[in-house]
Amino acid sequence: NAGVTQTPKFQVLKTGQSMTLQCAQDMNHEYMSWYRQDPGMGLRLIHYSVGAGITDQGEVPNGYNVSRSTTEDFPLRLLSAAPSQTSVYFCASSYSYRADEKLFFGSGTQLSVL
Amino acid sequence: EDQVTQSPEALRLQEGESSSLNCSYTVSGLRGLFWYRQDPGKGPEFLFTLYSAGEEKEKERLKATLTKKESFLHITAPKPEDSATYLCAVLMYFGNEKLTFGTGTRLTIIP
Repeated sequence: NAGVTQTPKFQVLKTGQSMTLQCAQDMNHEYMSWYRQDPGMGLRLIHYSVGAGITDQGEVPNGYNVSRSTTEDFPLRLLSAAPSQTSVYFCASSYSYRADEKLFFGSGTQLSVL
Repeated sequence: EDQVTQSPEALRLQEGESSSLNCSYTVSGLRGLFWYRQDPGKGPEFLFTLYSAGEEKEKERLKATLTKKESFLHITAPKPEDSATYLCAVLMYFGNEKLTFGTGTRLTIIP
């Protein structure tokens, strides 16, 4: 089973560039989300989706955009990259939108913005 | 403000040397406390969910316990493959229904 697949694994951007981080899951999960992980800080929620066509903001949404056109895919778009967006990004999914469901994480995308 | 604090930040143990990791929280109305394991270069992997004080869960050499203010992850006779960062997260009843993660404890087991 593939689980949650993220691409790319690594990415370097220049300030002002845009890009899309890809996330796909093959478990038919309702809930999908994006987190960022920074040194000395806990995982922080960027955006989430409780089903196709439904998205909402998390704790740190500024500078990011998401859409969910299918159950399987949940891409994260950086509109105009800034050095403050240098981080490791994780996509996560769960069977339902219940907040106490366990999360399945992808292997992450390490992003550097110069 | 809801907070989750994990200690120690890092822990080095000899193989077979048992110890405990701590996760303390200050939230009003705990709905659930979660433990995840994260290997270098990988995403977190779910271990346990605890819902009420006094609850315990076990998996191989790991046992998680919960009180009204903290949770412990006990590691009994650890092996090198238990080396990882262990994250805890809390979910509260009132508010935005989103997880608050701690910063983790980096555990190294020396052969």
